[in-house]
Amino acid sequence: RKEVEQDPGPFNVPEGATVAFNCTYSNSASQSFFWYRQDCRKEPKLLMSVYSSGNEDGRFTAQLNRASQYISLLIRDSKLSDSATYLCVVNLHSTTGRRALTFGSGTRLQVQP
Amino acid sequence: SQTIHQWPATLVQPVGSPLSLECTVEGTSNPNLYWYRQAAGRGLQLLFYSVGIGQISSEVPQNLSASRPQDRQFILSSKKLLLSDSGFYLCAWSVTGRDTLFSGNTIYFGEGSWLTVV
Repeated sequence: RKEVEQDPGPFNVPEGATVAFNCTYSNSASQSFFWYRQDCRKEPKLLMSVYSSGNEDGRFTAQLNRASQYISLLIRDSKLSDSATYLCVVNLHSTTGRRALTFGSGTRLQVQP
Repeated sequence: SQTIHQWPATLVQPVGSPLSLECTVEGTSNPNLYWYRQAAGRGLQLLFYSVGIGQISSEVPQNLSASRPQDRQFILSSKKLLLSDSGFYLCAWSVTGRDTLFSGNTIYFGEGSWLTVV
């Protein structure tokens, strides 16, 4: 089982739609969670951190479910410019025992006109 | 404000040739520095991290090496490239401090370097 798992998609949605992505993680001791956005052939950029109580930033809402070990990202009123790959990032123990930020493979979103 | 740059942006190298990717950070002191690789359709894999000048830790055995000759300079190298070294290489930084290494602090990425080994 992968340490951080995401549905690769693509999620094809019309403009204005609401779309949600989930990400599951394997290590229950994980403490830090983030969503990054990566445009095609570009570097990942921080979209938002995920807090235990859930948090919102404009059209974006992130939630954490520790019991089921997943985080989610909800995008409301999708824009064409939201088309990108969304990376789930979790603070996990690495293979060498060090804590490391582990990235999921990403979920691709394509918003269509 | 802090900025991070890496170069070259794109390169095509023959198998067996050497490699040098360079990364510099501005606007901060003693950052933690990282090299990641992203293969097609896969997640980012941490290759190396550094908490200070001359201090390099390797996360996975590989054909690559890293060096940190100056506080805000991080170099990824190889003496002989393999086909499997192809990928998107990303330099990144986070705030200083061993206690904060890989903790909840955000990491920021450079623009990335596309390497194709032929």
